[in-house]
Amino acid sequence: QKEVEQNSGPLSVPEGAIASLNCTYSDRGSQSFFWYRQYSGKSPELIMSIYSNGDKEDGRFTAQLNKASQYVSLLIRDSQPSDSATYLCAPTVNNDMRFGAGTRLTVKP
Amino acid sequence: GAGVSQSPSNKVTEKGKDVELRCDPISGHTALYWYRQSLGQGLEFLIYFQGNSAPDKSGLPSDRFSAERTGGSVSTLTIQRTQQEDSAVYLCASRPDRFYGYTFGSGTRLTVV
Repeated sequence: QKEVEQNSGPLSVPEGAIASLNCTYSDRGSQSFFWYRQYSGKSPELIMSIYSNGDKEDGRFTAQLNKASQYVSLLIRDSQPSDSATYLCAPTVNNDMRFGAGTRLTVKP
Repeated sequence: GAGVSQSPSNKVTEKGKDVELRCDPISGHTALYWYRQSLGQGLEFLIYFQGNSAPDKSGLPSDRFSAERTGGSVSTLTIQRTQQEDSAVYLCASRPDRFYGYTFGSGTRLTVV
């Protein structure tokens, strides 16, 4: 079992829809959880962080964490073509950040 | 500085040559990481520095790879006797402490011919 699992996609959604990106992790000691967005040919960019169970909203983005289920998700509301990118899930244990392979999202106009 | 700075942005080298890649983290960030990303692949952890502690070298793929961090700031990743499979984008990231996400540099694209 991989330490961090994400559906590789591609996930395709129409413009204006909600995109749902999921991630499961194996290390129950994970304390902090981050979502990164990576455009093709660019470096990863931090977009969300979440530390406790529940939802955290920031603009069109909502991160959801369920530590009991070892599950973290990212919802993107009102998806835009500019949201088309690969989204990386990164649970962290102390100083060790483990990246998932990423989910490629395409938002079609 | 305002962000994580990496140099050079692109490097083409001949197989068997040594290369040095430089990373200048954000001022005050105590943690510094090196990753590499091959085309279409995920991030592969290489090495991690935290303050004055011994670095975590567990991700270095072979003894041809080494890294140092001088004065708790600038880091250099050295690859000796480069091979074609070393071709990738090498990314540096830093953060102030474990409760923050990383800030990545723009990377060095290494091509070994």
